[in-house]
Amino acid sequence: EAEVAQSPRYKITEKSQAVAFWCDPISGHATLYWYRQILGQGPELLVQFQDESVVDDSQLPKDRFSAERLKGVDSTLKIQPAELGDSAMYLCASSPGQGVGYNEQFFGPGTRLTVL
Amino acid sequence: GNSVTQMEGPVTLSEEAFLTINCTYTATGYPSLFWYVQYPGEGLQLLLKATKADDKGSNKGFEATYRKETTSFHLEKGSVQVSDSAVYFCALLASGGSYIPTFGRGTSLIVHP
Repeated sequence: EAEVAQSPRYKITEKSQAVAFWCDPISGHATLYWYRQILGQGPELLVQFQDESVVDDSQLPKDRFSAERLKGVDSTLKIQPAELGDSAMYLCASSPGQGVGYNEQFFGPGTRLTVL
Repeated sequence: GNSVTQMEGPVTLSEEAFLTINCTYTATGYPSLFWYVQYPGEGLQLLLKATKADDKGSNKGFEATYRKETTSFHLEKGSVQVSDSAVYFCALLASGGSYIPTFGRGTSLIVHP
């Protein structure tokens, strides 16, 4: 069964350091999402890609966060420098189709980030 | 902007009890509505969905009906099991040029034997 892959599963870093997360969506899925989920809350969309293009990044803190999906397949989310408040679960999801409003999202297992 | 409001948790029930988790939404246009479930240490997975008014989504004994007049999508199950213990998220996909997802805060369900 096809799954969304994420790595690493866990990351501990010190504040002011740089961190990067990787996501490999289900093959053929055009839409890729990165979310931040703080403990006890729902996922907050950071960035949405359609193929290699950014569809929405209005909630991405662009002074420290960046995301890319260069070939429209896998994606990297980077934080530089990390701050204490960035401690959270970072979820990647993918969805088939383009601009379709009824398709479900398939989520990866997430990366748990702890900033010390 | 779009928003999803869920009832606060945790919801604590005994096995075989009836479950309702309330979800209401605010969105432009005609959103698609979803319920996702998250088990401890895992990512979210789709539980059910409905794409237009009066549609009923169902899966694994769970049901939810898309009520446009009350902007609601309440999750129900007639008889819960211990294995249903998880966090449940209501979500929508609304058109605004692009389909941007919005999630509720989640409702934790704890089922005791």
